[in-house]
Amino acid sequence: QSVLTQPPSVSGAPGQTVTISCTGSSSDIGAGYDVHWYQQLPGTAPKLLIYGNNKRPSGVPDRFSGSKSGTSASLAITGLQADDEADYYCQSYDRNLSGSGVFGGGTRLTVL
Amino acid sequence: QLQLQESGSGLVKPSQTLSLTCAVSGDSMSSGDYSWSWIRQPPGKGLEWIGYIYHGGTTYYIPSLKGRVIISRDKSKNQFSLKLTSVTAADTAVYYCARVGSYYDSSGRFSYYFDYWGQGMLVTVSS
Repeated sequence: QSVLTQPPSVSGAPGQTVTISCTGSSSDIGAGYDVHWYQQLPGTAPKLLIYGNNKRPSGVPDRFSGSKSGTSASLAITGLQADDEADYYCQSYDRNLSGSGVFGGGTRLTVL
Repeated sequence: QLQLQESGSGLVKPSQTLSLTCAVSGDSMSSGDYSWSWIRQPPGKGLEWIGYIYHGGTTYYIPSLKGRVIISRDKSKNQFSLKLTSVTAADTAVYYCARVGSYYDSSGRFSYYFDYWGQGMLVTVSS
């Protein structure tokens, strides 16, 4: 069971906007720790998509954006494209787990 | 461009020790204050952080694996390693090595993320 909760799946048509939520608790996101997001295309390693809640590494399109409020964070993908179909994971830090990085369970995005 | 590559045994017998090495290329492990981590993903499941070795040498492990896991590094060879003892079928997973980018935010809270990943290596625990 993951510390951070994500919906198992979301879907959208090409061109639409989808959001993926990531809900934590008072010991991680709610304690103010930053959230980071990863994209895992089928059969490949995860790739850093968003760090520090809303920063994009070089090369990540601005169609991807992140936000955080209270005990939750969200990843928004605008102008959905077929090759956005992937699993998305959020990650944060839990102050009760002695250095542990905690992941969400992952969300499968299907582009209809 | 930094690259990471896992290597080791892809098949381990139950109760034995899983050993993996991550070779870092494209930059020296000694440059910058980076830490190095292992993450695993059981087949069809999500990501699980295993632990990391901080740039100062301190190690941190997920509590559920403490006592069975050791992460070490060899800066002279530009590589770091994972050993997991007394493995069971539950340890079957794709194992990833990753570079850790860490920082303190404006409120002094520590945070880290994984900015470079290896391609992953499937390790199966089976007799």
